[in-house]
Amino acid sequence: KAGVTQTPRYLIKTRGQQVTLSCSPISGHRSVSWYQQTPGQGLQFLFEYFSETQRNKGNFPGRFSGRQFSNSRSEMNVSTLELGDSALYLCASSLALAERGEQFFGPGTRLTVL
Amino acid sequence: KQEVTQIPAALSVPEGENLVLNCSFTDSAIYNLQWFRQDPGKGLTSLLLIQSSQREQTSGRLNASLDKSSGRSTLYIAASQPGDSATYLCAVRSNTGNQFYFGTGTSLTVIP
Repeated sequence: KAGVTQTPRYLIKTRGQQVTLSCSPISGHRSVSWYQQTPGQGLQFLFEYFSETQRNKGNFPGRFSGRQFSNSRSEMNVSTLELGDSALYLCASSLALAERGEQFFGPGTRLTVL
Repeated sequence: KQEVTQIPAALSVPEGENLVLNCSFTDSAIYNLQWFRQDPGKGLTSLLLIQSSQREQTSGRLNASLDKSSGRSTLYIAASQPGDSATYLCAVRSNTGNQFYFGTGTSLTVIP
């Protein structure tokens, strides 16, 4: 069974630009969560989607948004990039009952903002 | 807000030693707790998931325990190997806000 895939793996952008990251969950998984990992803040929860609906949102500005499609694939968008947005962005998927289920992570997208 | 702490931040042991990693959390209202390992520059690999109603889970040389009332979990690694070198993270799924909160991790080095 294929794992969680994320594209692209590496991205370099400049301040003010916007970026879209993509995540394909494990087949059959309906919940997708996004996290930001930085050396200073560690792993922080961004948001979670289930059946195309955002269920939960972390404490991030509105520049960070996401969506989920009917095939459970998810995209995350960051607008007006700032230097502090440089991070490893991780996506995780789980089965329907996300609050009871095991989360499986993808390899991440390394975003560098210059 | 749930806070998750992992002690120690770094640990270095000789190969073959048994070791314990600690994780503590401030709010016992959780759905579950999950242990992960992360290799440098990589994503997270799930090791063990403990539901709030469970006391422990085992997988191979790994054993994780959960004491929800005291807000503690331990990950026991038996007969450590150099391939176990990685950062180990615990995360709790809080049922207040239904979010996943991560600890800061323990960086483990197993010396051959």
